[in-house]
Amino acid sequence: QKEVEQDPGPLSVPEGAIVSLNCTYSNSAFQYFMWYRQYSRKGPELLMYTYSSGNKEDGRFTAQVDKSSKYISLFIRDSQPSDSATYLCAMSAVVTGGGNKLTFGTGTQLKVEL
Amino acid sequence: DTEVTQTPKHLVMGMTNKKSLKCEQHMGHRAMYWYKQKAKKPPELMFVYSYEKLSINESVPSRFSPECPNSSLLNLHLHALQPEDSALYLCASSRDKGNQPQHFGDGTRLSIL
Repeated sequence: QKEVEQDPGPLSVPEGAIVSLNCTYSNSAFQYFMWYRQYSRKGPELLMYTYSSGNKEDGRFTAQVDKSSKYISLFIRDSQPSDSATYLCAMSAVVTGGGNKLTFGTGTQLKVEL
Repeated sequence: DTEVTQTPKHLVMGMTNKKSLKCEQHMGHRAMYWYKQKAKKPPELMFVYSYEKLSINESVPSRFSPECPNSSLLNLHLHALQPEDSALYLCASSRDKGNQPQHFGDGTRLSIL
């Protein structure tokens, strides 16, 4: 079983739809949870970052964490064609010696169509 | 534009060449990372530096040699690479305080002939 599971998609939605992206994880050592967006030929861009169970909202994006179920979600409201990208969930654990180690989901490819 | 700058953006090299990838950040971060990303796959961690010292080497072959000359710079020296090493190489940085988020550059797209 992978430490982080994410539906790879692809996911195609019409403009204006609400998008729900999800990840599950098995490692209780994960403390912080992130969502990255990656456009083609670009590096991952940090969208959301949270460490506690509950919801965190930033504009059209809402990140949800349920530590008891080991489940995280990203909701995108009023989706736009510019949201078309690959979305990666990531979870971190502190590393002895400094820094932290991210474990990524496989990524979900999203296409928002006009 | 990202705050982590990687050069070059593209690199084509033969299996006998020696080349270096460079990464620079000016966010005052003290942890820096190298990742390898193959098409349609998530990034895979290669190395972690904290305060210019190597803290993680994820069993990366010795043909990849990292170097952190100062807190703003990270290099990846390449020698005798194989065709399967063709990938996008990403650099990231973070504050070195627990689980601070990592910020990525746009990568160097490497092709081995």
